[in-house]
Amino acid sequence: QVQLQQWGAGLLKSAETLSLTCAVYGGTFGGYYWAWIRQAPGKGLEWLGEINHSGTTYFNPSLKSRVIISVDASKAQFSLKLNSVTVADTAVYYCARLLLGATTPPLFHYFALDVWGQGTTVTIS
Amino acid sequence: SSELTQDPAVSVAPGQTVRITCQGDSLTSYHATWYQQKKGQAPLLVIYGKNNRPSGIPPRFSGSRSGNTASLTITGAQAEDEADYYCNSRDSSGDQLIFGGGTKLTVL
Repeated sequence: QVQLQQWGAGLLKSAETLSLTCAVYGGTFGGYYWAWIRQAPGKGLEWLGEINHSGTTYFNPSLKSRVIISVDASKAQFSLKLNSVTVADTAVYYCARLLLGATTPPLFHYFALDVWGQGTTVTIS
Repeated sequence: SSELTQDPAVSVAPGQTVRITCQGDSLTSYHATWYQQKKGQAPLLVIYGKNNRPSGIPPRFSGSRSGNTASLTITGAQAEDEADYYCNSRDSSGDQLIFGGGTKLTVL
């Protein structure tokens, strides 16, 4: 049973750097992408980016200049840094495992966040 | 980039069938994935791929697609199904994960 446990500072001031880490327990780390998603109060889900065990990354273009996602495969952990935070970055931040697959015919891919961390509430003042 | 559009709110009487839709051009290339989120909880995967349910998801949840519209159907809705439902897929470039705005399901 794969579990994700995340941690990091929950209260920041504007212009500081948000830093969160997510550890993967009970499953294979390689062969998956690992994602960060956030949810502002009363709002929907927003994908921030993803990384695989070898460090290949994809980012939300709206945040790309401020986001760093890194991986430590030896510890089965991945991390999020968001620079120059503002009040608009106040949200619950989740880490999640991204399951990739495909069905045929015709060839259709799917991207499913199948395991989620518990979420970290980050407040920017 | 692409967008996924969901109705903001849908309601259903207990025991009836409800369909929640997700519309977007990327759904002609990628499957929609569906999540259930109850208040104060992390989202829960309910449908992925063509129509796959993770272990523990009741069979009353099913998924389908027609053209650029994906649907999540709950056949015989229960009070515990009241939640926000989100769809997601890859965008048309294949580089970004995108979410619909969410649908609030009320079971009344």
